[in-house]
Amino acid sequence: DSGVTQTPKHLITATGQRVTLRCSPRSGDLSVYWYQQSLDQGLQFLIQYYNGEERAKGNILERFSAQQFPDLHSELNLSSLELGDSALYFCASSSRGSGPVSYNEQFFGPGTRLTVL
Amino acid sequence: GENVEQHPSTLSVQEGDSAVIKCTYSDSASNYFPWYKQELGKGPQLIIDIRSNVGEKKDQRIAVTLNKTAKHFSLHITETQPEDSAVYFCAALVVGGGADGLTFGKGTHLIIQP
Repeated sequence: DSGVTQTPKHLITATGQRVTLRCSPRSGDLSVYWYQQSLDQGLQFLIQYYNGEERAKGNILERFSAQQFPDLHSELNLSSLELGDSALYFCASSSRGSGPVSYNEQFFGPGTRLTVL
Repeated sequence: GENVEQHPSTLSVQEGDSAVIKCTYSDSASNYFPWYKQELGKGPQLIIDIRSNVGEKKDQRIAVTLNKTAKHFSLHITETQPEDSAVYFCAALVVGGGADGLTFGKGTHLIIQP
């Protein structure tokens, strides 16, 4: 168990809908990352938040957005869903920036499986 | 941006034999290289990592080697056991480069034959 929790485990929705995925990082971790895993694209970095602020963006679509709240949990919002958005969405956390210099060891949650019908 | 190539995509070895998975990266500024193991229905689990100032690192049956000149790094698993069966991912990152998202290889499905 990595200490990172994600809800829900599974989500089934229809095209055009909007969903919210939730992540709670490991205790004390200030950085949260979102990744998408699909068969054709593999594991891809979407976005990173550090202590409530956006730190870096990867291959995130404009229809997707995220935020990190004062209690450090994060939410990934996916809107105008398309069939191709069906994938596993992982959240990871790290302690980077919260103490001595670290090399960004990232610990992954169990993921949310999104199915768009 | 960074590009990570991983080979082979599938690797089948006899229980007790060694397994080697290789990755190459494109960005010479990359300085952190973790390896993850993903079992069916679970998230990736960090199993070992190496920084660019180190050539080799071992942890029991697992070792990782890094060749900065050639820009490649490898995962070595000795005395393989059935519980080693999983998908393994390599990744690369430029720590301090402003963006902390890992760039992953496409994964290697390791099958341990009894």
